[in-house]
Amino acid sequence: DQQVKQNSPSLSVQEGRISILNCDYTNSMFDYFLWYKKYPAEGPTFLISISSIKDKNEDGRFTVFLNKSAKHLSLHIVPSQPGDSAVYFCAASSSGGYQKVTFGTGTKLQVIP
Amino acid sequence: SQTIHQWPATLVQPVGSPLSLECTVEGTSNPNLYWYRQAAGRGLQLLFYSVGIGQISSEVPQNLSASRPQDRQFILSSKKLLLSDSGFYLCASLQGGAYNEQFFGPGTRLTVL
Repeated sequence: DQQVKQNSPSLSVQEGRISILNCDYTNSMFDYFLWYKKYPAEGPTFLISISSIKDKNEDGRFTVFLNKSAKHLSLHIVPSQPGDSAVYFCAASSSGGYQKVTFGTGTKLQVIP
Repeated sequence: SQTIHQWPATLVQPVGSPLSLECTVEGTSNPNLYWYRQAAGRGLQLLFYSVGIGQISSEVPQNLSASRPQDRQFILSSKKLLLSDSGFYLCASLQGGAYNEQFFGPGTRLTVL
């Protein structure tokens, strides 16, 4: 049962344009959401997060939007740069229990110069 | 800040051979520790997590096992490897409450032939 879903396995965007990566979740107990960026043969690195009490969090070129009613979040990158080319993982956790983090399957972003 | 070490970086093992992957964490104490696997073309699958010494929770039934002999040491093992065990293994640490990001190690690329 995939509780965090990233339905687009890949995305190509022109440099300078906006990249929008989407993520859906099914577990209503999730109250904290994160995005990670991963380059080949490396561990993921944290990018940006949002708690369920907010609907938007912005950090430079990166903005995460959360729609709790739709159980949907998205990551916007603007403007996109070639160095943003990587696999992006959406992740979710709940404040109770063992702080288990559930990851999506990832979206491979390619920014074309 | 946290630093996570994993070794070996790459490993090629025959089917049926044993496995031991080690993860050590610096710069934190009493972290939650996690083992993930990224198989080819797939997302991050949580294998095991630990909230303390000697405590292991398994997420997926399989022929792998984990141990936490020390606070900042996490070991992934197998008595007999299968072809399906091939993948990229990641160790991660989470410090503090639920509203924190995980730190990931550099990973181990395991190929079972």
